[in-house]
Amino acid sequence: AQSVTQPDIHITVSEGASLELRCNYSYGATPYLFWYVQSPGQGLQLLLKYFSGDTLVQGIKGFEAEFKRSQSSFNLRKPSVHWSDAAEYFCAVAEGYGGSQGNLIFGKGTKLSVKP
Amino acid sequence: DAGVTQSPTHLIKTRGQQVTLRCSPKSGHDTVSWYQQALGQGPQFIFQYYEEEERQRGNFPDRFSGHQFPNYSSELNVNALLLGDSALYLCASYRDSNTRGTGELFFGEGSRLTVL
Repeated sequence: AQSVTQPDIHITVSEGASLELRCNYSYGATPYLFWYVQSPGQGLQLLLKYFSGDTLVQGIKGFEAEFKRSQSSFNLRKPSVHWSDAAEYFCAVAEGYGGSQGNLIFGKGTKLSVKP
Repeated sequence: DAGVTQSPTHLIKTRGQQVTLRCSPKSGHDTVSWYQQALGQGPQFIFQYYEEEERQRGNFPDRFSGHQFPNYSSELNVNALLLGDSALYLCASYRDSNTRGTGELFFGEGSRLTVL
């Protein structure tokens, strides 16, 4: 069965430091991969997505992610974290209907705290 | 342009009761998915509606049912509520036609259900 693993439950970084959030997936075919961010009391906002092509994808708010098929990973990075980045981050893989977003399987999330 | 709107935002029910949650998709979107997000967990796919029919279903019991109306809005119904149904219920929409399933998925802010 398809699955997504986010090994880090909680990460704390200093403002201005770089960030990498880890995501590993289990999926038989070429996956559709996503990173979402959820602020307290909010819904999920898409940061970036990978469907095909260039394995380094750029997203909103200065985030990027790299798809590595050999490692079944899709790690999220940001060179310099801002206090407003404090939130929960979810990695997801799409399965099902035509490879579309019929069914997103989410990881359990990584909570990011930012120290001043 | 309104995004995905959900109602009610919060509600409290008792065990055994029934609940109906509502979702209006983003303008131009024709596909609606429902997710359950328990505290401290990632969202779990319940089902998806397209063209007023359930197209995909996750691993949820028949107590969970839904409907999509001609204007693409949707309802999620849960019967015989259990304590474990307490969660944030998220609605998400995207435009399936002409995007081959790659249209961006937009989430609402959710309906927080507490079962006592």
